[in-house]
Amino acid sequence: SQTIHQWPATLVQPVGSPLSLECTVEGTSNPNLYWYRQAAGRGLQLLFYSVGIGQISSEVPQNLSASRPQDRQFILSSKKLLLSDSGFYLCAWKQTSRVAFFGQGTRLTVV
Amino acid sequence: DAKTTQPPSMDCAEGRAANLPCNHSTISGNEYVYWYRQIHSQGPQYIIHGLKNNETNEMASLIITEDRKSSTLILPHATLRDTAVYYCIVRVAFAGGTSYGKLTFGQGTILTVHP
Repeated sequence: SQTIHQWPATLVQPVGSPLSLECTVEGTSNPNLYWYRQAAGRGLQLLFYSVGIGQISSEVPQNLSASRPQDRQFILSSKKLLLSDSGFYLCAWKQTSRVAFFGQGTRLTVV
Repeated sequence: DAKTTQPPSMDCAEGRAANLPCNHSTISGNEYVYWYRQIHSQGPQYIIHGLKNNETNEMASLIITEDRKSSTLILPHATLRDTAVYYCIVRVAFAGGTSYGKLTFGQGTILTVHP
């Protein structure tokens, strides 16, 4: 069966520090991968999606970037975090089925 | 993707059916209705989806009106663990094209199940 792993679960980082969040999917190949962010008390916002290795599309301009170095690995990064980058980050995957599945998320607090 | 409208909050007594409405009056013929829920501090969980016909699985039932402009998610016997934010989303099913399978989440309905 397919599973999605996301880590770390929580992270506290100082302003100006770098960020790297990793997401991996098991049990499938060539999935569509997504990074969402949820600010406190708000809905989910799509940040990036990828349909293949090295193919990244950004939905909103921001301080973050994404990379897909392997088929089932999706990484969210920042060179210098801002206070406004705090939030709940979610990775999701989708393949030929019509359903997208989400990881358990990373709660990032920038201090 | 079509826009959806949901009530911001609803209450339900434990053991009773919870009926969560969703309006999607601009839905296109090839767009499906999806329901997800998000329990506090967890990732969204898929519940059910449908196109035209009513659907049922082990979690819930989905009733779609004949004109497809609205739908209702039914949790037949709500429990305290069903307290969550419920999202209704409409989108095309195909994973490619310009939508690339992305889900557009609104504010959802906060369902509170009380004893």
